[in-house]
Amino acid sequence: SQQGEEDPQALSIQEGENATMNCSYKTSINNLQWYRQNSGRGLVHLILIRSNEREKHSGRLRVTLDTSKKSSSLLITASRAADTASYFCATDAKTSYDKVIFGPGTSLSVIP
Amino acid sequence: GAGVSQSPRYKVTKRGQDVALRCDPISGHVSLYWYRQALGQGPEFLTYFNYEAQQDKSGLPNDRFSAERPEGSISTLTIQRTEQRDSAMYRCASSPQGARPSWEQYFGPGTRLTVT
Repeated sequence: SQQGEEDPQALSIQEGENATMNCSYKTSINNLQWYRQNSGRGLVHLILIRSNEREKHSGRLRVTLDTSKKSSSLLITASRAADTASYFCATDAKTSYDKVIFGPGTSLSVIP
Repeated sequence: GAGVSQSPRYKVTKRGQDVALRCDPISGHVSLYWYRQALGQGPEFLTYFNYEAQQDKSGLPNDRFSAERPEGSISTLTIQRTEQRDSAMYRCASSPQGARPSWEQYFGPGTRLTVT
């Protein structure tokens, strides 16, 4: 079974709007990461948040982590057409030798 | 500096043939991961190494799949007696630190394997 699952599966917004994606996971983790993938290309690391952190910022990205709910959210503010991509959360389960498991992703379309 | 490279980028093979996929990680990176990704899905974990030691191979689908990283740098994923269901994008990633806990991963461009 997958460790992390993103919600929604697909999201379409207008340029300039904010985009929020959620990730839920099942077991205790050390870290949670978010990655972006443009149209079948390689994945690019966006941000890593540790289990003892609650919020982290990087440019227009804001990530929150709620370990009590086993969930995380990725907020992209003032979206641009170039943000159109698939976004994946990835977690390392403490009980699985810390291998990193990716969720199925959220497909974001930003309409100019 | 140079990123993670994978070769070949595309591989078409006939059912029953063996294939070897190569990953050249970023120099000095400790951890190396192999994933398989189907279209529209997230990467599926296959196996990972810290230096030359294979730490976890629980994601390898069956014993036709194997991986090695003999000198703690370049890694090879080998699929024996390929089947059509093995067709997928195979991705490699490396990480600067050991994988306990995890650190950010740098992904290669992938090898698109097609088994006919």
